[in-house]
Amino acid sequence: DQQVKQNSPSLSVQEGRISILNCDYTNSMFDYFLWYKKYPAEGPTFLISISSIKDKNEDGRFTVFLNKSAKHLSLHIVPSQPGDSAVYFCAAIPTSGSRLTFGEGTQLTVNP
Amino acid sequence: ETGVTQTPRHLVMGMTNKKSLKCEQHLGHNAMYWYKQSAKKPLELMFVYSLEERVENNSVPSRFSPECPNSSHLFLHLHTLQPEDSALYLCASSQGLAGRSSQETQYFGPGTRLLVL
Repeated sequence: DQQVKQNSPSLSVQEGRISILNCDYTNSMFDYFLWYKKYPAEGPTFLISISSIKDKNEDGRFTVFLNKSAKHLSLHIVPSQPGDSAVYFCAAIPTSGSRLTFGEGTQLTVNP
Repeated sequence: ETGVTQTPRHLVMGMTNKKSLKCEQHLGHNAMYWYKQSAKKPLELMFVYSLEERVENNSVPSRFSPECPNSSHLFLHLHTLQPEDSALYLCASSQGLAGRSSQETQYFGPGTRLLVL
């Protein structure tokens, strides 16, 4: 039973436009969410996070939105750049623990 | 460069071989992790060590044996693996286990791509 799902395996966007990556979760005990980015031949690197007490967190070109009632979060990248092309993983941590549960990842391609 | 290194980067082994994966972190962290990523699947947590003690073992088969001799090093000993164990094995480290602040974020190594024939 997969508790964190990223239903889009891939997304292609033009440079300068907005990239929107989506993530859904089923476990209502998750209270902290993270996005990681992974380039080929490298490990995932932390990008941005959000606590369930917030509905938005912004860091430069990256903004994460959390809709608790829908159990949905999204990562917005504006403007998208070719260097943003990577696999993006959504992850969640439950209230009672510290274990990261990951989604399957979405391959983002930003075309020049 | 995240401060977490893994060797070897690629490994091909037969089902009767014994091999070890090595992870080293240069960040002064006190927690280390092994994850498995199979094709088209999410990262799966295998083991967690905190202060060199195993604190989590997620029903991993005994053919995978972790070892944490000190807070900077983590090994994954492999023996009599199966072809379905072929995957990317990622090591991570963090300062603390809670994971809810930038200080406690997990930092990942580049992984070892394992192929079992």
